Amino acid sequence: GAGVSQSPSNKVTEKGKDVELRCDPISGHTALYWYRQSLGQGLEFLIYFQGNSAPDKSGLPSDRFSAERTGGSVSTLTIQRTQQEDSAVYLCASSGQETQYFGPGTRLLVL
Amino acid sequence: KQEVTQIPAALSVPEGENLVLNCSFTDSAIYNLQWFRQDPGKGLTSLLLIQSSQREQTSGRLNASLDKSSGRSTLYIAASQPGDSATYLCAVSGGYQLIWGAGTKLIIKP
Repeated sequence: GAGVSQSPSNKVTEKGKDVELRCDPISGHTALYWYRQSLGQGLEFLIYFQGNSAPDKSGLPSDRFSAERTGGSVSTLTIQRTQQEDSAVYLCASSGQETQYFGPGTRLLVL
Repeated sequence: KQEVTQIPAALSVPEGENLVLNCSFTDSAIYNLQWFRQDPGKGLTSLLLIQSSQREQTSGRLNASLDKSSGRSTLYIAASQPGDSATYLCAVSGGYQLIWGAGTKLIIKP
């Protein structure tokens, strides 16, 4: 079946602009994660959604970052007033049980 | 606070060699440990998941071991092939969150 998809695959924006990143999880997966991966670094947890429970937002680096998950499926990560340090690959993953399945990521470059 | 370290950061070996990648973690109170593979421009692929009660897991030419008491895991790759070239990441779970190492970039030379 279809895996996790993310769009756009690449995004170049100017400092100060807002961006929206989209994630379509695997159908039926109740858990959805957003991670950030900076060049040469491991993954940094951002936010976790599980079913209808309140999301765990403890990894969001600032109040410029927000995410929502509509209808328990598609998720959108929004970064307001982007800064150059926001440049990274943003990865989404979904899971039904323990194994997380990852999308290809969105490569964000803030000029 | 859990910290995960992977050594070496990069490794280049000739095709056909057996090799070992290392992962260490500071807090032994983990739920499981996972090894992932990351190819350029692609997402991560889960390779092996070891529960905290297990000592090792095997899949094809891959074998992962876990020693919780010493805070270490190894990924053994037998008879390496050029297609094994990728970045290998380990991650430990204390619940639903995964704490990640920075990865080992592996290059297999034909």
